[in-house]
Amino acid sequence: DIVMTQTPLSLSVTPGQPASISCKSSQSLLHSDGKTYLYWYLQKPGQSPQLLIYEVSSRFSGVPDRFSGSGSGTDFTLKISRVEAEDVGVYYCMQGIHLPSITFGQGTRLEIK
Amino acid sequence: EVQLVESGGGLVQPGGSLRLSCAASGFTVSSNYMSWVRQAPGKGLEWVSVIYSGGSTYYADSVKGRFTISRDNSKNTLYLQMNSLRAEDTAVYYCTSYPRFYDSSGYPRDYWGQGTLVTVSS
Repeated sequence: DIVMTQTPLSLSVTPGQPASISCKSSQSLLHSDGKTYLYWYLQKPGQSPQLLIYEVSSRFSGVPDRFSGSGSGTDFTLKISRVEAEDVGVYYCMQGIHLPSITFGQGTRLEIK
Repeated sequence: EVQLVESGGGLVQPGGSLRLSCAASGFTVSSNYMSWVRQAPGKGLEWVSVIYSGGSTYYADSVKGRFTISRDNSKNTLYLQMNSLRAEDTAVYYCTSYPRFYDSSGYPRDYWGQGTLVTVSS
């Protein structure tokens, strides 16, 4: 089974400062169709997960441009250029290539200093 | 507007059964890969099961043989029949669509319900 490993597991960031989360997969997420099926979600306290980034670097509808994704193959990064108070929650990466199962990283908890 | 509304959670004794439902509106369950993802208290997200648009079903090893995923196309509803429940099945269960298909705007059809809590305890 594919394993998704996130680092760090927690972050404490001052508002206005950047933040970065790494996600490494145990197998390549590059599909033969040329797409890489790596997603980033944010689960705000008491809410369902919400999609931020799909296919490594594409922002989902309504996601602020301070969120960006990058990477390829097995190494991926989510960056927040300037953290805001509303960004608090747990961030998960997810692989969607090695179906039928989808696999999530352990989650990275972001708190505001 | 797309909505997924789960129901059916509750408190059940070990060895008992529950059936979760996920009623969809604004999109067609049978045209998507629909799954159940769970989250134990204070823990991360864990995939449980999926039903493909063609009807094929798959399960995590932890629930195989105990859980059954299905759908009713006429009701546009997804189900999860859970039998032989264990304490470790205690979690919030989310109904969600795999983001492998795209809507008319070109965005992935990534939809989540609000979750329903299943507690297995004596």
